[in-house]
Amino acid sequence: GENVEQHPSTLSVQEGDSAVIKCTYSDSASNYFPWYKQELGKRPQLIIDIRSNVGEKKDQRIAVTLNKTAKHFSLHITETQPEDSAVYFCAASIKNGQNFVFGPGTRLSVLP
Amino acid sequence: KAGVTQTPRYLIKTRGQQVTLSCSPISGHRSVSWYQQTPGQGLQFLFEYFSETQRNKGNFPGRFSGRQFSNSRSEMNVSTLELGDSALYLCASTPTGTANTEAFFGQGTRLTVV
Repeated sequence: GENVEQHPSTLSVQEGDSAVIKCTYSDSASNYFPWYKQELGKRPQLIIDIRSNVGEKKDQRIAVTLNKTAKHFSLHITETQPEDSAVYFCAASIKNGQNFVFGPGTRLSVLP
Repeated sequence: KAGVTQTPRYLIKTRGQQVTLSCSPISGHRSVSWYQQTPGQGLQFLFEYFSETQRNKGNFPGRFSGRQFSNSRSEMNVSTLELGDSALYLCASTPTGTANTEAFFGQGTRLTVV
């Protein structure tokens, strides 16, 4: 089945710096890749997603890139702020297109 | 629209007991998925229901079961609880039942087994 790896597991950056989180997936049939942010004690919420027919997508300070050949995708956060501190999960749709497999998560800490 | 609602928010149970958790999806959403979240283990997929049918199942023992009703509300049951079942249980709903759109999560039920 689909397997999603995510690195790093923890990431600390200074406020204003950029943060990059990388994920790899195993199933070449996966075609949808969302990123979720989970703040402490809260539910995961979608922050950005990308489909397999697109190589890059941006939304203000957040961007996601997808390399289908290498089967990896990355989340880029620029000009980080303390409120970006959270756990970030990447996910990939599974072969039957009915569900997701999530990566293990990255705990991002933005230091003031 | 109301979001995904999970009840109860917190539960404390004793080893060997059973527990039932409830998830009400967003109105019109027909797919409900359940996940177990533990520190360091991320979101582990339990199962997914669509139109009252279990379509997908993760690698959890048979003590974990679920069902979905005609109004798309879903319940998850864990029998013969073990200490290791202590976790945050999240459900998520999607409108179409395909994994190509945003999944909306509930706030979760935190289960503590003592």
